[in-house]
Amino acid sequence: AQSVAQPEDQVNVAEGNPLTVKCTYSVSGNPYLFWYVQYPNRGLQFLLKYITGDNLVKGSYGFEAEFNKSQTSFHLKKPSALVSDSALYFCAVSYMNSGYSTLTFGKGTMLLVSP
Amino acid sequence: EAQVTQNPRYLITVTGKKLTVTCSQNMNHEYMSWYRQDPGLGLRQIYYSMNVEVTDKGDVPEGYKVSRKEKRNFPLILESPSPNQTSLYFCASRGRAEQYFGPGTRLTVT
Repeated sequence: AQSVAQPEDQVNVAEGNPLTVKCTYSVSGNPYLFWYVQYPNRGLQFLLKYITGDNLVKGSYGFEAEFNKSQTSFHLKKPSALVSDSALYFCAVSYMNSGYSTLTFGKGTMLLVSP
Repeated sequence: EAQVTQNPRYLITVTGKKLTVTCSQNMNHEYMSWYRQDPGLGLRQIYYSMNVEVTDKGDVPEGYKVSRKEKRNFPLILESPSPNQTSLYFCASRGRAEQYFGPGTRLTVT
């Protein structure tokens, strides 16, 4: 069975500082990894994904994530946080196979960026 | 524009009154699914469908039904809603990798 852990319920950071939202995963086989963001009263928006290739993946709104196979991690990062980045962030995993596999989500991390 | 649509967006109903939440996608995706989102629990998959007439249970299927009579539509049916089904529901459609979500349906069962 596959699983995702987001160890922090909430991350607080000051505007202009770098931010990291942590994610670790467990999956049989090679993983597909995703980050989604949910703004208040909105649906989930895709931020970025890792399928294969470079371990550093760049996505929307200046976010990036680093795939670390040995640590089974896929932490979300941004060099300089904005107040408008405040939202709920979800990490998700599935695995590569010939068909589809279920996308499993973490419980989410609330990011609060203070002015 | 690629999108997943859900209706209604908000619904308040009473225990036991059957309801259907519709979901439609315009990307010709084979894979569709339903999730519910609850505070502290993240997103949990209710049902999924890998193609027309092929559906399967996710992690929390009790109290729900689905159907997939055509590729673009994947309605979620609550035959006899109960208060513990009060939640935010998302439909999703998936290509080979990326998953697209609908805007969500906030359901309250009193």
